Amino acid sequence: GAVVSQHPSWVICKSGTSVKIECRSLDFQATTMFWYRQFPKQSLMLMATSNEGSKATYEQGVEKDKFLINHASLTLSTLTVTSAHPEDSSFYICSARGTGGKETQYFGPGTRLLVL
Amino acid sequence: GQNIDQPTEMTATEGAIVQINCTYQTSGFNGLFWYQQHAGEAPTFLSYNVLDGLEEKGRFSSFLSRSKGYSYLLLKELQMKDSASYLCAAPEGNNRLAFGKGNQVVVIP
Repeated sequence: GAVVSQHPSWVICKSGTSVKIECRSLDFQATTMFWYRQFPKQSLMLMATSNEGSKATYEQGVEKDKFLINHASLTLSTLTVTSAHPEDSSFYICSARGTGGKETQYFGPGTRLLVL
Repeated sequence: GQNIDQPTEMTATEGAIVQINCTYQTSGFNGLFWYQQHAGEAPTFLSYNVLDGLEEKGRFSSFLSRSKGYSYLLLKELQMKDSASYLCAAPEGNNRLAFGKGNQVVVIP
């Protein structure tokens, strides 16, 4: 139980293009999903918290117009990196928290983005 | 908010036991999590402690002392595949988790 998938697992794109990453909870409903970014040998950095049916809450310093988050259903959240630049190259990881009240976050496998 | 502190790296041999410590300062306590993260991969959930004491799950055990703001993860019978970063995390406001920086465990033959 508590499986979270992400798609794609890796993507290479040209500078200026937009990239959409999907995060799905496969066997549970996720009222809250989280998007993290992690640079090599660094800690997880929380980018935003998204609740189903409402606007995402972004962390300080994260541009909401650049990182668009949509949480349209209890099993799907998407992160779109708009007009990607090489400095956006990173490991993007989502996690999902279930509806049962327990705080546990289950992580997706991550998406590695390389912007050329 | 939460202030999580972990040591950064340790090396141990196969078959050994290692203890990874985590101290936290909290404005409200809702449990403590441990995650394992292999290089280049996402974290995977290991344990969740909300009550004091030791919880054992196979080769991994996690301990919590709420009065001391202290937890540890105990890895027994170390295997090469246990080489990873071990993260402790505590819930804070807005359903978020505050993560420690992680403790890198390197297992050598």
